[in-house]
Amino acid sequence: KAGVTQTPRYLIKTRGQQVTLSCSPISGHRSVSWYQQTPGQGLQFLFEYFSETQRNKGNFPGRFSGRQFSNSRSEMNVSTLELGDSALYLCASSLGRFLYEQYFGPGTRLTVT
Amino acid sequence: DQQVKQNSPSLSVQEGRISILNCDYTNSMFDYFLWYKKYPAEGPTFLISISSIKDKNEDGRFTVFLNKSAKHLSLHIVPSQPGDSAVYFCAARGGSRLTFGEGTQLTVNP
Repeated sequence: KAGVTQTPRYLIKTRGQQVTLSCSPISGHRSVSWYQQTPGQGLQFLFEYFSETQRNKGNFPGRFSGRQFSNSRSEMNVSTLELGDSALYLCASSLGRFLYEQYFGPGTRLTVT
Repeated sequence: DQQVKQNSPSLSVQEGRISILNCDYTNSMFDYFLWYKKYPAEGPTFLISISSIKDKNEDGRFTVFLNKSAKHLSLHIVPSQPGDSAVYFCAARGGSRLTFGEGTQLTVNP
């Protein structure tokens, strides 16, 4: 069974631009969560999607948004990029909500210059 | 506020010895605790977990201990192997959401 895939793997953007990251969960998994990883901060929860609806949201500004499609694939968008948005963005999927075992993709490394 | 904390950013041990990674939490509503391992350029992979109703869970060389009164959990790796060198994250579940610590870089020297 294929794992979680994320595209692109690497991205360089300029401050003020916007970016869209994509995540394809493991087949059959319906819950997708997004995390931001920065040095010294661990993984910060961005949001969770289940059945095309955002179910949970972390403490990030409204510039961070996402969506989930009917095939469970998910995208996250960051508008008006800031230098501090440079990070590894990780997507994780699980069969359903309230299940502890999440499977992570390799991440998208975003660099904002 | 950081509800899950790993106070040691790095740990270095000799091959064959025990590695002990620590994690503290503040939210008593967390009901499940997990450890993930992360290699560079890869996403975290699930390692071992423990329910809040237990105090110990063992899986091969890995054992997780939970002290609820102290709001503390630890991961023991015995014996440590060079392939265990990675960043280890502890995580706690509250509802459908996982809260992660900052991670500890474990280096196992041959």
